[in-house]
Amino acid sequence: GQNIDQPTEMTATEGAIVQINCTYQTSGFNGLFWYQQHAGEAPTFLSYNVLDGLEEKGRFSSFLSRSKGYSYLLLKELQMKDSASYLCAAMDSNYQLIWGAGTKLIIKP
Amino acid sequence: DTAVSQTPKYLVTQMGNDKSIKCEQNLGHDTMYWYKQDSKKFLKIMFSYNNKELIINETVPNRFSPKSPDKAHLNLHINSLELGDSAVYFCASSQGEHSGANVLTFGAGSRLTVL
Repeated sequence: GQNIDQPTEMTATEGAIVQINCTYQTSGFNGLFWYQQHAGEAPTFLSYNVLDGLEEKGRFSSFLSRSKGYSYLLLKELQMKDSASYLCAAMDSNYQLIWGAGTKLIIKP
Repeated sequence: DTAVSQTPKYLVTQMGNDKSIKCEQNLGHDTMYWYKQDSKKFLKIMFSYNNKELIINETVPNRFSPKSPDKAHLNLHINSLELGDSAVYFCASSQGEHSGANVLTFGAGSRLTVL
């Protein structure tokens, strides 16, 4: 079956760095997405990786290893507003998105 | 200008009732979706419409019926509501259907509570 695993919850300190991991098993692969979802709000797009390696976008970076079925989202210089859930989603061979349950990130002062 | 707007934001109703949620996008996107997010926060695809044609129906009960009068609108009608239908329903849209970088733009969500 198709599956996405990511930690349920993580806690980090303002100004620090945090890495949120995601492993996936899909029938074929057409890329991996990260979305941010603040409580009570809509998910918003953060990043898309389809090739191996690191994609950097400001304070956020996303990494992909296709051979390992693994991705991570790296958040630097954490701010209180980064407190949110981070959703990992992999696209299978039929271009269907398989979603993880999200990682709730709690930032402490 | 809201890119993807859905109404109502909150809906509280009794079991057995029929209700609708409306969605509109002004992005000119070709594909629109309905997702259900349950209490465990999993996002599950329900329907997808590409240029008014249904292209996904993920074994959703036939009490749920999507209606797309044009490519900018995708409404969700639910008959005979059940307790298990309580969830947040998200409308979304994307440019293109079979594209690798198929970035979704979500609406703000409609929280449905069935009593």
